[in-house]
Amino acid sequence: AQSVTQLGSHVSVSEGALVLLRCNYSSSVPPYLFWYVQYPNQGLQLLLKYTTGATLVKGINGFEAEFKKSETSFHLTKPSAHMSDAAEYFCAVTKAAGNKLTFGGGTRVLVKP
Amino acid sequence: KAGVTQTPRYLIKTRGQQVTLSCSPISGHRSVSWYQQTPGQGLQFLFEYFSETQRNKGNFPGRFSGRQFSNSRSEMNVSTLELGDSALYLCASSEGQDASPLHFGNGTRLTVT
Repeated sequence: AQSVTQLGSHVSVSEGALVLLRCNYSSSVPPYLFWYVQYPNQGLQLLLKYTTGATLVKGINGFEAEFKKSETSFHLTKPSAHMSDAAEYFCAVTKAAGNKLTFGGGTRVLVKP
Repeated sequence: KAGVTQTPRYLIKTRGQQVTLSCSPISGHRSVSWYQQTPGQGLQFLFEYFSETQRNKGNFPGRFSGRQFSNSRSEMNVSTLELGDSALYLCASSEGQDASPLHFGNGTRLTVT
């Protein structure tokens, strides 16, 4: 069975500071990995995904994530936080055909001015 | 293209009743997935339909069911509602291939009293 662990349910960063959200997964086969963002009263929006190939994946809004197989990690970073980055972020994994995603518990990001 | 549309946006039901939620996917998308989001359990996969066939199913009781129509629109039904069914129900559509990104609707907020 797959599982996803997001370290830290809440993260507080200052505007302009580095954003680092941690995600570790367990999967018996090479996974497909995703990061989604959820703003209040909205659904989830895809930030980026890793399937195969380059392990550093660039997404929307300046976010990127690096797939590290040896560490079973897929951490999300953004060099400089903006107030509009305040939201909840979810890491997700799937390995099978279809779209059965297993999500982490989410990390809520607060951006301080 | 129009996004994923879920109706209704909010629902209040009484314990023991049943409810039907509707989802219209992005035009051309053949896969529709349903997720339940609660503060305690997070995001949990309910089921996925692809070309009118259930392709994947999560670990929910039989009170939760769904279907997909020939135009890819989907409905999910919950019978004999329980207080614990109160949640945000999210629908997502995709093209259906492995790791094709999910496009989420804004959800239906169900409150069971």
